[in-house]
Amino acid sequence: EVQLVESGGGLVQPGGSLRLSCEASGLTFSSFSMNWVRQAPGKGLEWVSYISSSSNTIYYADSVKGRFTISRDNAKNSLYLQMNSLRADDTALYYCASGSGSSRIGFWGQGTLVTVSS
Amino acid sequence: DVVMTQSPISLPVTLGQPATISCRSSQGLVHSDGNTYLGWFQQRPGQSPRRLIYQISNRASGVPDRFSGSGSGTDFTLKISRVEAEDVGVYYCMQGTHWPPYTFGQGTKLEIK
Repeated sequence: EVQLVESGGGLVQPGGSLRLSCEASGLTFSSFSMNWVRQAPGKGLEWVSYISSSSNTIYYADSVKGRFTISRDNAKNSLYLQMNSLRADDTALYYCASGSGSSRIGFWGQGTLVTVSS
Repeated sequence: DVVMTQSPISLPVTLGQPATISCRSSQGLVHSDGNTYLGWFQQRPGQSPRRLIYQISNRASGVPDRFSGSGSGTDFTLKISRVEAEDVGVYYCMQGTHWPPYTFGQGTKLEIK
């Protein structure tokens, strides 16, 4: 069974930083691309970032470009999202989601909540 | 960016009756590899999204056969043949053809009438 477990969320002031982690199990992590997708409270889904299996290819949504950095450690089966210069509109539940050649996004974690507020 | 527009936004359905959700993209979704990366996700209350359908009509593993997807070009449909209580939630379409970014529809909330 595939499990993706996010951590690192919390309350942070505007302008602050936070690092999210996602630990994967039940899949050959090093063979899968990975994504971060977020959901603001009561809102829909917004794709945030993508990283290929070998970290060679990385993409960001325009809304986070220059502020967020995605990375991974295949030896630790882990995905990360470094979030800097956080704004109130970054407040959301952040999901780690596995990539998929056929569906682009496959499995989802349970999410970690990031709240940006003073 | 490709805009995905779903309808209806709210869908009250009687148990055992069919349900249909539409999704329209702002441009055609056929990829240069010949595939159409249009999928559907289900998000039950309080849960993470779950992949239901990929490439228009392929059910993901474990998805009941009462769920089906169809469509082509810019118009796509998710159908539930007979709604059950466990189907309550929000349904999202997503395109993965013209990316980045992947883009989602705004969601359709299915409730029991």
